Amino acid sequence: DQQVKQNSPSLSVQEGRISILNCDYTNSMFDYFLWYKKYPAEGPTFLISISSIKDKNEDGRFTVFLNKSAKHLSLHIVPSQPGDSAVYFCAPTRDSNYQLIWGAGTKLIIKP
Amino acid sequence: GAVVSQHPSWVICKSGTSVKIECRSLDFQATTMFWYRQFPKQSLMLMATSNEGSKATYEQGVEKDKFLINHASLTLSTLTVTSAHPEDSSFYICSGRGGPGELFFGEGSRLTVL
Repeated sequence: DQQVKQNSPSLSVQEGRISILNCDYTNSMFDYFLWYKKYPAEGPTFLISISSIKDKNEDGRFTVFLNKSAKHLSLHIVPSQPGDSAVYFCAPTRDSNYQLIWGAGTKLIIKP
Repeated sequence: GAVVSQHPSWVICKSGTSVKIECRSLDFQATTMFWYRQFPKQSLMLMATSNEGSKATYEQGVEKDKFLINHASLTLSTLTVTSAHPEDSSFYICSGRGGPGELFFGEGSRLTVL
């Protein structure tokens, strides 16, 4: 039972354009949503998060949108830079116990 | 941000031997640490939750006798892969819980079992 789905295994975006990464979930008990960025052979690094009481959170070039009714969230990166090329994981939590439920990840490739 | 350090970053061992991976929180106390495993082109899989001073809680399908977890102090958790076999070759990652909604990850440890 996949509670978190990132349906795009990979995404290719031109440098300077907007990158939009999507995540769908099924569990309405999720109350906190985190995005992590991961380079090959390294541990994930925290990128940005959003609480279920909000619908938008912005941090520099990164903005996360949450649509609770659709059980959908998205990460926007603008403008995209070559260093943004990585795998991005959507990871909600439930019951505030910090055990993350991981999506499969989306590999973002920024083309120069 | 807070730092979590894993050691070793890469280990190669013979089949049948045991390997220990350390996870240290360098500048914060982590009462709870998580151990993950990642297969190529797949998501992170939570293996177990490690609580300081108590037994680890293992996820379904993870053999607790094979993956021994010890969390003896607030800054150190260890994962020992006992009697390792080639199918145990993987990338193991730990994380420590900081404040609300905060998880800090180690750099990961790549295990190759020959």
